[in-house]
Amino acid sequence: QSALTQEASVSGTVGQKVTLSCTGNSNNIGSYAVGWYQQISHGAPKTVMFGNSLPSGIPDRFSGSKSGTTASLTISGLQPEDEANYYCSTWDYSLSAHVFGTGTKVTVL
Amino acid sequence: EVQLVESGGGLVQPGRSLRLSCAASGFTFDAYAMHWVRQAPGKGLEWVSGISWNSGDIGYADSVKGRFTISRDNAKNSLYLQMNSLRAEDMAFYYCTKGQYQLLSPHLFDYWGQGTLVTVSS
Repeated sequence: QSALTQEASVSGTVGQKVTLSCTGNSNNIGSYAVGWYQQISHGAPKTVMFGNSLPSGIPDRFSGSKSGTTASLTISGLQPEDEANYYCSTWDYSLSAHVFGTGTKVTVL
Repeated sequence: EVQLVESGGGLVQPGRSLRLSCAASGFTFDAYAMHWVRQAPGKGLEWVSGISWNSGDIGYADSVKGRFTISRDNAKNSLYLQMNSLRAEDMAFYYCTKGQYQLLSPHLFDYWGQGTLVTVSS
């Protein structure tokens, strides 16, 4: 059972803005920064967001935010190459473990 | 360019052992925490284990505690995962990942290897 809950799927057309959410609790998201990881067609994951900071080489249409125990990843101006599974993660101090979300499949219509 | 290259995966019978390796390059290996994350076929990501820059802090997921051992050799820029008493549910792709900073927690992962597949079957 994952500690973090994400939508199973989100879809949008090219150019549309989509927002993915990641819900946890005070032991994890409420206390620590959240990372977001993109996985295309079951390839290796790639980091697309640290908290609200963009890793080098990631387009600025990706942005991150957090409010309380829910984190969000927004893709502004969805592109075909953004079609992938996205996972959130953070540290959970009650579990003394890094925890991942259930994953969201983003489909570009 | 940061590169993480895993090796050591393969087919193993239940109850047997396997050792995974991760060769790192393109960054100062001994300045960062390192982790193993796995993904069973058709499933999501699961953190397996992590180790701080100097091996002073080590953590494991409950699912592998007591069976898996993480270690690193900073002189060889290498990370290892010794997996004993393997079970069918350990079958997965195992990814080596680099931590953002020196410590095991609460920091995030920034670079990932391509993964190595561990198949547990008789």
